Amino acid sequence: AQKVTQAQTEISVVEKEDVTLDCVYETRDTTYYLFWYKQPPSGELVFLIRRNSFDEQNEISGRYSWNFQKSTSSFNFTITASQVVDSAVYFCALSLPLFNQGGSEKLVFGKGTKLTVNP
Amino acid sequence: SAVISQKPSRDICQRGTSLTIQCQVDSQVTMMFWYRQQPGQSLTLIATANQGSEATYESGFVIDKFPISRPNLTFSTLTVSNMSPEDSSIYLCSVKAGGSYNEQFFGPGTRLTVL
Repeated sequence: AQKVTQAQTEISVVEKEDVTLDCVYETRDTTYYLFWYKQPPSGELVFLIRRNSFDEQNEISGRYSWNFQKSTSSFNFTITASQVVDSAVYFCALSLPLFNQGGSEKLVFGKGTKLTVNP
Repeated sequence: SAVISQKPSRDICQRGTSLTIQCQVDSQVTMMFWYRQQPGQSLTLIATANQGSEATYESGFVIDKFPISRPNLTFSTLTVSNMSPEDSSIYLCSVKAGGSYNEQFFGPGTRLTVL
């Protein structure tokens, strides 16, 4: 079975600080996809990034960066120079493609990390 | 990305009643899913809505409680039947287009409160 662990329940930082959100996943499959979503107070789930298990290259998008390490089964998310608008709950998720035995494309979510950025 | 709308956006219902939530997508999508997010919790998949056939339910969710329809590739409904306060949650529709590598997008959610 697949599992996603986000050990940090809540994080509070001051604006302009860098912050890293941890994500550890478990799966026996060699092909899988990892995701990060943002859920601001409005409640809508906003897609941030998808990563293929075959692609361990780290990615940077503006102030956001992601560090994917298969050796430690981690997919961590870093926000550089945080802003108040970054305050939200961040979810890490994993899915298996349909062609995997038992794969269903469903997303298995971690419990989320609530990030508060104070001015 | 697909534009997804859900109706209603929120509702307050009485115990024992049923509510049907609609999910409309502006383009044809391969897969549609229904998730539940209980207060302060993560998201849990209820079922995969299959076009033209019965939905595929996850463990712990049954068709009698959460009947789902998907008459075409752009629309699905989820009914929460015989509601109790424990059903108070956000219900989210998500869609996925194309191949496995594509991301899943979520609708704005329906906030349900059962009194």
